[in-house]
Amino acid sequence: GAGVSQSPSNKVTEKGKDVELRCDPISGHTALYWYRQSLGQGLEFLIYFQGNSAPDKSGLPSDRFSAERTGGSVSTLTIQRTQQEDSAVYLCAVRDRYNYGYTFGSGTRLTVV
Amino acid sequence: ELKVEQNPLFLSMQEGKNYTIYCNYSTTSDRLYWYRQDPGKSLESLFVLLSNGAVKQEGRLMASLDTKARLSTLHITAAVHDLSATYFCAVLRPQGGSEKLVFGKGTKLTVNP
Repeated sequence: GAGVSQSPSNKVTEKGKDVELRCDPISGHTALYWYRQSLGQGLEFLIYFQGNSAPDKSGLPSDRFSAERTGGSVSTLTIQRTQQEDSAVYLCAVRDRYNYGYTFGSGTRLTVV
Repeated sequence: ELKVEQNPLFLSMQEGKNYTIYCNYSTTSDRLYWYRQDPGKSLESLFVLLSNGAVKQEGRLMASLDTKARLSTLHITAAVHDLSATYFCAVLRPQGGSEKLVFGKGTKLTVNP
């Protein structure tokens, strides 16, 4: 979506490898989110960053998942020792500045083989 | 815990017909969102509903919000094939200094010629 760039768009990795997914909010939004969309679970909240506040990590499914946001802009979601159940589309979203809306990126489709 | 239920989950309709998708949620919230998702694509924002009684319309789609009943509806008028997609409602859940969108499971709409 406009305002949020994600890379890579597709990632195939072997079970047990680490992966890093990137989100670049083009216009410098202060609030940034990661969601996961999988067939069995629908859309799940993972983590929320707001300015310099401590992130809300309550949605991360295990300690293999971590995320950071550097300089209030780019965010990376890291999954260590990937498992097949990690296969999903990972979506980054930002809160729009003026209309209370949320804009989602195009997502990274992760396949663990 | 906030739960969001959509129904129906699958909807097949003929062009020219009208139908309504329902979104119920379990705890108080004053913001509700509708998104559209085409296969293999990200989420496209349709409507942001901010208050009780809010009604918004765009083309053949009209969304409304009743916060007292904890119900939102997405009404489709004279459906056309281009409306075929999956529609999600999402409710904002603020919690302490955090916030997140809680999504319904989605309604997969197929409009047949």
